[in-house]
Amino acid sequence: KAGVTQTPRYLIKTRGQQVTLSCSPISGHRSVSWYQQTPGQGLQFLFEYFSETQRNKGNFPGRFSGRQFSNSRSEMNVSTLELGDSALYLCASSLIGVRTEAFFGQGTRLTVV
Amino acid sequence: GESVGLHLPTLSVQEGDNSIINCAYSNSASDYFIWYKQESGKGPQFIIDIRSNMDKRQGQRVTVLLNKTVKHLSLQIAATQPGDSAVYFCAENAGSARQLTFGSGTQLTVLP
Repeated sequence: KAGVTQTPRYLIKTRGQQVTLSCSPISGHRSVSWYQQTPGQGLQFLFEYFSETQRNKGNFPGRFSGRQFSNSRSEMNVSTLELGDSALYLCASSLIGVRTEAFFGQGTRLTVV
Repeated sequence: GESVGLHLPTLSVQEGDNSIINCAYSNSASDYFIWYKQESGKGPQFIIDIRSNMDKRQGQRVTVLLNKTVKHLSLQIAATQPGDSAVYFCAENAGSARQLTFGSGTQLTVLP
């Protein structure tokens, strides 16, 4: 069974640009969550999607958005990139939500220059 | 200027010894907990989970203990191996919230 797949693995963007990251969950999993990991703040929750609906959102500005498709694949978008957005962005999938086992992908390393 | 990184607690153990990694949580409403292992350059890897109706759960070479009275979680790794070297995170979930809240992590180093 394939694990959680995140693409791309690495990205370098310039301040002010926007970026889209993709996450394919484990087959059959309907919940996808996104987290930002930085040395200064650790792992912080961005948002969670279940059945194409955002069910919860963390304390991030509106520049961070996401969506989920009918096949449970999810994308997150960051607009007007700032240097502080440089981080490892992680996607986790679970069967029905965070109260079941949540499995992470390898992450997308975003560097904003 | 540079941001200050989180100060990760560190634990060094000899290969073959048992390791105990601790985690304190603050939300008394949390009732589901997960331990993750993260190796350098990789995403967190699920190790074991426990629900609040249990105080102990065992997996392969790992045991998680939950003490709800003092809001404390621990991960015990038996016969620690070099491949166990990583950062270990505990994560908690409170029933009403559809998110995991992560601790700052503990760096485990296994000495030969």
